[in-house]
Amino acid sequence: GENVEQHPSTLSVQEGDSAVIKCTYSDSASNYFPWYKQELGKGPQLIIDIRSNVGEKKDQRIAVTLNKTAKHFSLHITETQPEDSAVYFCAAPKTGFQKLVFGTGTRLLVSP
Amino acid sequence: SQTIHQWPATLVQPVGSPLSLECTVEGTSNPNLYWYRQAAGRGLQLLFYSVGIGQISSEVPQNLSASRPQDRQFILSSKKLLLSDSGFYLCAWSVSSYNSPLHFGNGTRLTVT
Repeated sequence: GENVEQHPSTLSVQEGDSAVIKCTYSDSASNYFPWYKQELGKGPQLIIDIRSNVGEKKDQRIAVTLNKTAKHFSLHITETQPEDSAVYFCAAPKTGFQKLVFGTGTRLLVSP
Repeated sequence: SQTIHQWPATLVQPVGSPLSLECTVEGTSNPNLYWYRQAAGRGLQLLFYSVGIGQISSEVPQNLSASRPQDRQFILSSKKLLLSDSGFYLCAWSVSSYNSPLHFGNGTRLTVT
């Protein structure tokens, strides 16, 4: 089955810096990779996703890159702001099932 | 647009008491429904998922059960709560297809005392 590993577990940056979170997956058949942002006391919210027919997708200050050969994908946040502080989760589908396997999460802290 | 409602937001229950958490989805038909649990500072553990009324798949053996009495209603239950059942419970839905994003509710913080 699918196994998703996420690094780092915590990440501290200064406001305006870039932040990168990386995930690896095990099932080469996986073809959909979402990223979620969870603020304190709330449910995770989808912020961006990518399918395997593209290598990169951008939405304003966030981008996701996918390397299918190496089986890893990354979230990039540029010009970070304090409101980007949250826990971020990556995920990949469990092949043959209509469900996602989540990484263990990255706590991002952006200091003013 | 689709919305997901989950209640209550917080709950404090004594050990041995029953539990019922409810989740409803609006604005979509025949969604897949999911219950996740999140321990403090930890990741998301899938407990149950359902692809249709009365169809429940359990991911891990535990003290909890789930039911789907209506198309857009998902209930998480326990007959007797344990201390280890404390956590943040999240309901989610997706369209009924592969490789679809999940949409989460705002969760229920359960404390078993």
